[in-house]
Amino acid sequence: GDSVTQMEGPVTLSEEAFLTINCTYTATGYPSLFWYVQYPGEGLQLLLKATKADDKGSNKGFEATYRKETTSFHLEKGSVQVSDSAVYFCALKGGSYIPTFGRGTSLIVHP
Amino acid sequence: NAGVTQTPKFQVLKTGQSMTLQCAQDMNHNSMYWYRQDPGMGLRLIYYSASEGTTDKGEVPNGYNVSRLNKREFSLRLESAAPSQTSVYFCASSVRPGPLSMNIQYFGAGTRLSVL
Repeated sequence: GDSVTQMEGPVTLSEEAFLTINCTYTATGYPSLFWYVQYPGEGLQLLLKATKADDKGSNKGFEATYRKETTSFHLEKGSVQVSDSAVYFCALKGGSYIPTFGRGTSLIVHP
Repeated sequence: NAGVTQTPKFQVLKTGQSMTLQCAQDMNHNSMYWYRQDPGMGLRLIYYSASEGTTDKGEVPNGYNVSRLNKREFSLRLESAAPSQTSVYFCASSVRPGPLSMNIQYFGAGTRLSVL
């Protein structure tokens, strides 16, 4: 079945540092890929998405590129802010009825 | 723009008590979902409703029941709460599920439940 593997956290960075959160997946066919973000005390919300190989999703300075050859969708941001502190979930939607989520990676950004 | 609304936000129960978590969406979505979130476990699907009048079990349905009251509302019931059900519960909705759908999900703010 479909699965998503994310790097374990927490990831702790200083403000303005470069961020990478790794995500790899297993799925049949050509899934759509997503990053969701969960701010403290809130529900998840869609951050960005990509629907086919080599697509780049971007939003709020975050980017992720759909790499079919490495089955990866790593999340990057060039300069993080304290307000980016949150839990980030990688997810995929393949041929099943519902999406598959990773376990989440906590990001803590210090001033 | 309310989106997905969950009530209550917090609840403390004693073992054996029952309660219903309420969820309503105002986006005219066909599909609704209940998840639980536990430390280190990510999100786990409890039940979902692909459309009004249908419900299906997810990954962890034991100890829960659901009702899709109408297109807007999807409730989750704990008949006899246990400490293992201490968790944060999220309701979500999407336009529709299905193999050809991207199924972007919209989440409520969660219900934080403690069972003593």
